[in-house]
Amino acid sequence: ETGVTQTPRHLVMGMTNKKSLKCEQHLGHNAMYWYKQSAKKPLELMFVYSLEERVENNSVPSRFSPECPNSSHLFLHLHTLQPEDSALYLCASSQEGQGNEKLFFGSGTQLSVL
Amino acid sequence: GEDVEQSLFLSVREGDSSVINCTYTDSSSTYLYWYKQEPGAGLQLLTYIFSNMDMKQDQRLTVLLNKKDKHLSLRIADTQTGDSAIYFCAERGDGNQFYFGTGTSLTVIP
Repeated sequence: ETGVTQTPRHLVMGMTNKKSLKCEQHLGHNAMYWYKQSAKKPLELMFVYSLEERVENNSVPSRFSPECPNSSHLFLHLHTLQPEDSALYLCASSQEGQGNEKLFFGSGTQLSVL
Repeated sequence: GEDVEQSLFLSVREGDSSVINCTYTDSSSTYLYWYKQEPGAGLQLLTYIFSNMDMKQDQRLTVLLNKKDKHLSLRIADTQTGDSAIYFCAERGDGNQFYFGTGTSLTVIP
């Protein structure tokens, strides 16, 4: 148990659906991240929130919309996704300002877009 | 963004040593990391090394850093079947971004 919980673990959705991924961290960290993991590709940073402010958006399509209502919760809202968006979506958290910062990951949501 | 490169696959026999290699591009990285991902799980921090160090040893794990060549390696001594997993190399660049490689899938053959 890493202290970062993601739900759901698995999600199957059609291209016209709207769904949300949820992440909660119990570590008291002040930064949260969304990563996309696809086979044979580097882990791709999507969004970074620091102190609940979005500080990074790496050219992610607008069909992905993040939300960080407080320092413990992070959401990824999905709408009109494409089959190529099928991947493992990982949430992570860290404590900024400590020098050697380490990422703590959740178990991920395996997303399949039909 | 920065590039972190790893080979995709590695197979070793149980009891042998495994060496997983990684190259990176950001010479200003202060810390470099190895993460392990077991099936159905997220990434878990395995070990890390500060950029002014050449080597770090932690039980069966040895991390070697060649800063001149921007090359990082992870050696696992006496590899066990439980070590089968995907191993990710990562560097921390500017702006608190962590850059990861593709991961190396290690298969341990009994």
